[in-house]
Amino acid sequence: KAGVTQTPRYLIKTRGQQVTLSCSPISGHRSVSWYQQTPGQGLQFLFEYFSETQRNKGNFPGRFSGRQFSNSRSEMNVSTLELGDSALYLCASSPSQGAGELFFGEGSRLTVL
Amino acid sequence: DQQVKQNSPSLSVQEGRISILNCDYTNSMFDYFLWYKKYPAEGPTFLISISSIKDKNEDGRFTVFLNKSAKHLSLHIVPSQPGDSAVYFCAAKDFGNEKLTFGTGTRLTIIP
Repeated sequence: KAGVTQTPRYLIKTRGQQVTLSCSPISGHRSVSWYQQTPGQGLQFLFEYFSETQRNKGNFPGRFSGRQFSNSRSEMNVSTLELGDSALYLCASSPSQGAGELFFGEGSRLTVL
Repeated sequence: DQQVKQNSPSLSVQEGRISILNCDYTNSMFDYFLWYKKYPAEGPTFLISISSIKDKNEDGRFTVFLNKSAKHLSLHIVPSQPGDSAVYFCAAKDFGNEKLTFGTGTRLTIIP
């Protein structure tokens, strides 16, 4: 069974640009969550989608947005990039809502210059 | 507001000995706790979990202990092996909520 796939793995942007990251969950998993990992803050919850609906949102500014498609694939977008947005963005999927255990992808490493 | 805290950023343990990683939480609504392990350039992988109705859960070399009154959990790895060298995150969630709140991680180094 293929794992969670995230693209791109690495990308470099400049301040003010926008970025879109993609996540394909494990087949059959309907819940997709996004996390931001930075050295000092650990993993911070961004948002969670289930059946194309955002069910939870973390404490991030409105520049961070996401969506989920009918095939459970998800995208997240960050607009007007800031230097502080440089981080590893992790996507995780689970078979149902509230399942507890999340299966993570390898992440998309974003560098903002 | 760090609701899940791992106060030891790093820990070194001799191979074959016991590794004990600690985690404290402040939110009494948390009822499910998990440990994840992360290697560089990989996503976190699930290790073991425990529900708040239990105080211990064991899986092979890994045991998680939960002390609800102290709002404290710990992960014991026995015996420690070189492949256990990684960053370990504890995480917590409350019932019906998919959101995991993570600690900042502890880097475990097993010395051969």
